[in-house]
Amino acid sequence: DAKTTQPTSMDCAEGRAANLPCNHSTISGNEYVYWYRQIHSQGPQYIIHGLKNNETNEMASLIITEDRKSSTLILPHATLRDTAVYYCIVRVPRNSGNTPLVFGKGTRLSVIA
Amino acid sequence: SQTIHQWPATLVQPVGSPLSLECTVEGTSNPNLYWYRQAAGRGLQLLFYSVGIGQISSEVPQNLSASRPQDRQFILSSKKLLLSDSGFYLCAWRRQGALQPQHFGDGTRLSIL
Repeated sequence: DAKTTQPTSMDCAEGRAANLPCNHSTISGNEYVYWYRQIHSQGPQYIIHGLKNNETNEMASLIITEDRKSSTLILPHATLRDTAVYYCIVRVPRNSGNTPLVFGKGTRLSVIA
Repeated sequence: SQTIHQWPATLVQPVGSPLSLECTVEGTSNPNLYWYRQAAGRGLQLLFYSVGIGQISSEVPQNLSASRPQDRQFILSSKKLLLSDSGFYLCAWRRQGALQPQHFGDGTRLSIL
């Protein structure tokens, strides 16, 4: 799985959009970008994933650059409950059971009132 | 919709005592199931995964075992706990299919005294 680089921490004002970047310059053609987050003392929560097209769901939007070497997770209207560590993971989807998730250090997002 | 339940949320056990953590998934059938451990400030370590009833694969040699007596039930056990077994234990599930993301429970925080 390709290595990812994320900023250690970010602040965002409540109600504003939170834009979390992720660099994955060594991504290969069949690797997808997945985003998870982990709120303190809870299990990780899946947010969104994509290959090359921009994706949107009820939680967030994922913008992947045309060369696929970086991506941005956008929380359109951040709330205090969005304070968490956000993980960007690049991996080849596998159908086998042995598909462990490997989290890096992630970005600690603090949403401020 | 699908839900995953883990219990207990917290557990304090003496060294040498047995352990049983339970995880159940609702709203889906034949899921892949996973047990992870997350040490404080560190990433996820895959302990066991299962692709079906009675099918368990172990990722690391250790003092723990897992069982899947029913399609949507996954149990993590130990006969004698060690101090090093302390940690945050997470159960996860995912549908069959390469692109399917993993979904986590809220975890069990285990402290060994």
